[in-house]
Amino acid sequence: EPEVTQTPSHQVTQMGQEVILRCVPISNHLYFYWYRQILGQKVEFLVSFYNNEISEKSEIFDDQFSVERPDGSNFTLKIRSTKLEDSAMYFCASSRADRSQPQHFGDGTRLSIL
Amino acid sequence: TQLLEQSPQFLSIQEGENLTVYCNSSSVFSSLQWYRQEPGEGPVLLVTVVTGGEVKKLKRLTFQFGDARKDSSLHITAAQPGDTGLYLCAGLEGGSEKLVFGKGTKLTVNP
Repeated sequence: EPEVTQTPSHQVTQMGQEVILRCVPISNHLYFYWYRQILGQKVEFLVSFYNNEISEKSEIFDDQFSVERPDGSNFTLKIRSTKLEDSAMYFCASSRADRSQPQHFGDGTRLSIL
Repeated sequence: TQLLEQSPQFLSIQEGENLTVYCNSSSVFSSLQWYRQEPGEGPVLLVTVVTGGEVKKLKRLTFQFGDARKDSSLHITAAQPGDTGLYLCAGLEGGSEKLVFGKGTKLTVNP
């Protein structure tokens, strides 16, 4: 069964550095998402992306964050000037043709900021 | 922001017992999804319910969406140790792509 893949599985970065988290969504999906889960807390929505632009974002998704679909298969989340509180699991998800379709999640990238 | 409350937060039962997990909100959702999450992995979709009053069955799991689309339940019959895991409900806000997650129910089924 097709699945969402994320790399790396674990990223350790010094505070203040930039990180790029990568995702390959399911191939025939058109909507892409990033969520994060701080240890012990709920999964939180960050941003959704459709037709090469952000369609919705949360208050968490400020100027420190950006997303890009650099080619036909990858979907990336860039975090600039990382802070300790950015440490979390970051999940990529994708869904098919419209927003009512279920979202399928990758296994996440564990981001640790030192 | 809409909130989803799941209960119980923790549940430990013996193999063969039945259980029900609840997901409640004061707000209406256009659809609700149930996921199961293992440690170190992403949420895996179990089912999506869309219509108020809808009931879906997945082997020993029965999912129900409330008539008013504000709540949902997951019932497991004759639980097995393989059912152990974290069960998450997540609602889709109307007109939005944003999934709102509950904190989850951590289920342990003892042999």
